[in-house]
Amino acid sequence: DIQMTQSPSSLSASVGDRVTITCRASQSIGNYLNWYQQKPGKAPNLLIYSASSLQSGVPSRFSGSGSGTDFSLTISSLQPEDFAAYYCQQSSNAPYTFGRGTKLEIK
Amino acid sequence: QVQLVQSGAEVKKPGASVKVACKASGNSFLGQNMHWVRQAPGQGLEWMGWVSPNNDDRRYVQKFLGRVTMTRDTSTSTGDMELIRLRSDDTAIYYCVRRISTKWDDYFDYWGQGTLVTVSS
Repeated sequence: DIQMTQSPSSLSASVGDRVTITCRASQSIGNYLNWYQQKPGKAPNLLIYSASSLQSGVPSRFSGSGSGTDFSLTISSLQPEDFAAYYCQQSSNAPYTFGRGTKLEIK
Repeated sequence: QVQLVQSGAEVKKPGASVKVACKASGNSFLGQNMHWVRQAPGQGLEWMGWVSPNNDDRRYVQKFLGRVTMTRDTSTSTGDMELIRLRSDDTAIYYCVRRISTKWDDYFDYWGQGTLVTVSS
């Protein structure tokens, strides 16, 4: 199985900050990497697919990059509604594994 | 607008079984596999497997083999996930999910609202 290592596990930041979350795959997954945002009590919501494609309706302050084994999600200017948990997920090979998540909290 | 609506919360005793239902709006699942993902309280996401539209193919994560069954009914746009011989560590929110898979892209784009299954004596 492909292991997804996400870091940091938690992050404190302020509104307006630029933040980056990283995700590393245990083997090359091409660009088959997706990012999800999850708010408390809600289902995950797709933000970025195929490493860098912005899902329809997602604000442009979210961006993704990377290929192979190393990926990142960047939020250019944090908004109050961005404080949530974020998960990476590889869709290269079944089982489709997720990172353990990053909890983004208000500083 | 795609919508996946799941059945309500369940409380089960260890050793019992649970079946979680998922109804898709319109033709959102027509021709597509239905996937299931679960999330234990305060934990991350765990993909469980998928079932094809006509139930002629399915794939389960190895840890669930022998305990999980996923089925579809395209005539009613519904799907079910049954888990037997429940244990306390099966306590989780279970999500049905639509996956988009093309030559270049592969992702989960629509999720049900989740069904909390609590296993407790």
